[in-house]
Amino acid sequence: KQEVTQIPAALSVPEGENLVLNCSFTDSAIYNLQWFRQDPGKGLTSLLLIQSSQREQTSGRLNASLDKSSGRSTLYIAASQPGDSATYLCAVSGDRGSTLGRLYFGRGTQLTVWP
Amino acid sequence: NAGVTQTPKFRVLKTGQSMTLLCAQDMNHEYMYWYRQDPGMGLRLIHYSVGEGTTAKGEVPDGYNVSRLKKQNFLLGLESAAPSQTSVYFCASGLNSYNEQFFGPGTRLTVL
Repeated sequence: KQEVTQIPAALSVPEGENLVLNCSFTDSAIYNLQWFRQDPGKGLTSLLLIQSSQREQTSGRLNASLDKSSGRSTLYIAASQPGDSATYLCAVSGDRGSTLGRLYFGRGTQLTVWP
Repeated sequence: NAGVTQTPKFRVLKTGQSMTLLCAQDMNHEYMYWYRQDPGMGLRLIHYSVGEGTTAKGEVPDGYNVSRLKKQNFLLGLESAAPSQTSVYFCASGLNSYNEQFFGPGTRLTVL
């Protein structure tokens, strides 16, 4: 069964810092990897999708990389802002022997950016 | 284009009561999923559907039933609610196994 781990569980940084969130998964037979943002009491907002054949994706101040063979992904946030405060979830789609494409989620990294 | 919508947004039930959560998507997606989110557990798959008229069990299906009579709708039913079903329920849809999944805003359910 696919297992997804996110480190750290919580992160508190001053505004302006560049930061890295880590995600690891146990089964490299994935279709894709998605990074989501979740604000308290809200739904999931998709930030970036990386297909299994890709190495990275960028959107604004966000950059996500994927190393499928080692089962790792990182989300890089440049010049962090208080508005970036949220929980960031990593999810992988797929595992060996499955064609469903269901998502396996990590437990998230709770990010606080203070002014 | 509303994306994925869920009704209701909040609900409080007493133990033993029943209810149905509705998920609707207007993106013509084949795949639809129901997840539940609990503190410290992450999101877990309850049931899923790979097309109209099809449903299957996910990771935590006990106590839930689903139906997909129309392609755009995926219903999650609780026949006899239990306190352990207190959770936030998210619906998601996707074109196929390879594409991005889109999530609804969630339903916060409390069972007393």
